[in-house]
Parts: sequence; C-alpha cells; structure tokens
Amino acid sequence: GENVEQHPSTLSVQEGDSAVIKCTYSDSASNYFPWYKQELGKRPQLIIDIRSNVGEKKDQRIAVTLNKTAKHFSLHITETQPEDSAVYFCAASKPGGSYIPTFGRGTSLIVHP
Amino acid sequence: NAGVMQNPRHLVRRRGQEARLRCSPMKGHSHVYWYRQLPEEGLKFMVYLQKENIIDESGMPKERFSAEFPKEGPSILRIQQVVRGDSAAYFCASSPSVGHSYEQYFGPGTRLTVT
Repeated sequence: GENVEQHPSTLSVQEGDSAVIKCTYSDSASNYFPWYKQELGKRPQLIIDIRSNVGEKKDQRIAVTLNKTAKHFSLHITETQPEDSAVYFCAASKPGGSYIPTFGRGTSLIVHP
Repeated sequence: NAGVMQNPRHLVRRRGQEARLRCSPMKGHSHVYWYRQLPEEGLKFMVYLQKENIIDESGMPKERFSAEFPKEGPSILRIQQVVRGDSAAYFCASSPSVGHSYEQYFGPGTRLTVT
C-alpha cells in the first residue's frame, strides 16, 4: 500500500519567515495530494491540494509543488504569521477503489511573534 | 449548508463499556470515512462507507469495532468493550462523490477517553 513520509515533525520559525514542509510517497499511481491544517483541538481543514497533472499551485501565501518523478511534494508558506501555527498534514490518494488518502504523521509549525 | 456534524464531542467510558460515535455528513454527501487520531500522530483510516454499504474496512480492527451508515440517519462507529488503548480522537469525513471530487470534509471529531 501507499506510504507517506513527512518531514520535519516540528518546525519553528520567526514571524515573517518562510516555512517548508516536505512529503514523499511510494505509490506512483497516486495522483491527488491534499494538505490539511489542524489547529489544536480542531478539525483538519483542507488548505490546498494539487493533482498530478500540474507541478505547482499557489494560493496567496501558500503554495504546493509536486515532483512526480521523485515522488515528493512540498508545502511552502511565505510571510508566516502566528495564526499559521498548527499541525499540517500531507496526504496522497489514487484513483480507483476507495480514493482513501494516506496521511503523513504531521508537522507541528510554530511561528514565533 | 451545515458542515459535517459529529456527536458527542467528548465521550468518557469505563473499560468494558460500549462507545457509540455518530457522524452526519454534509448535505448531499453520500460517502463517509472514519479516522482515528492518537496524540501527536496522523490520521489513520478505519472504514469507508456509502449508504447501507461498507466499501472498505481494511483499517478497522476485526474485533470490537463496527460501523454502519443506514439509509436514514447518521453513520455510527461502535466500539464494544472499550479498552484504554481506544482512547483517541475519532474523526469522520464526507465527500460528495468519489469519482467527482476527492476532497474530504472533516467533522469536529469525538474525543473518546477510556478510564
């Protein structure tokens, strides 16, 4: 089955800096890669996603890049703000069957004011 | 359009009791997924259901755990004879159509504590 590795497990940055979270996946058939943000005690919420037919997608201060050959994708957050502090999860899923995403273990992002 | 609803939000059970967790998907969504999240860990898939059908239960323990999504009413995740290791946050997610959209919308979760 699919295996998703996520790094780092913890990321501490100063307000205004950029943050990058990286994930690798094992199944070359995976073609959908969502990123979720989970604040403490809250539900995971989709913040951005990318499909395998594009290499990059951007939405204001967040962007995701995908390298299908290397089977890795990354989340980039620019001009970080304290409210960006949360746990971020990457996931990978593939068509056919149940489209069930496999999640990474999460990255705890701490943005210091 | 109300989001995914889960209840109760917090549930305390003593060892050996039963836990029933409910999930009402978003309006128009017919696919429900249950996940378990242990502290400082990711979301682990348990079971995927459509109305009146279990599609994939590969992530759900064979014993003590069961799930259903009846024609009417919410999806229910049932844990019998709970043990301390069952303490976790249980999230459900729904999606409108597997072939149309991959996106899953999560509920607020039920935090189960087994004493």
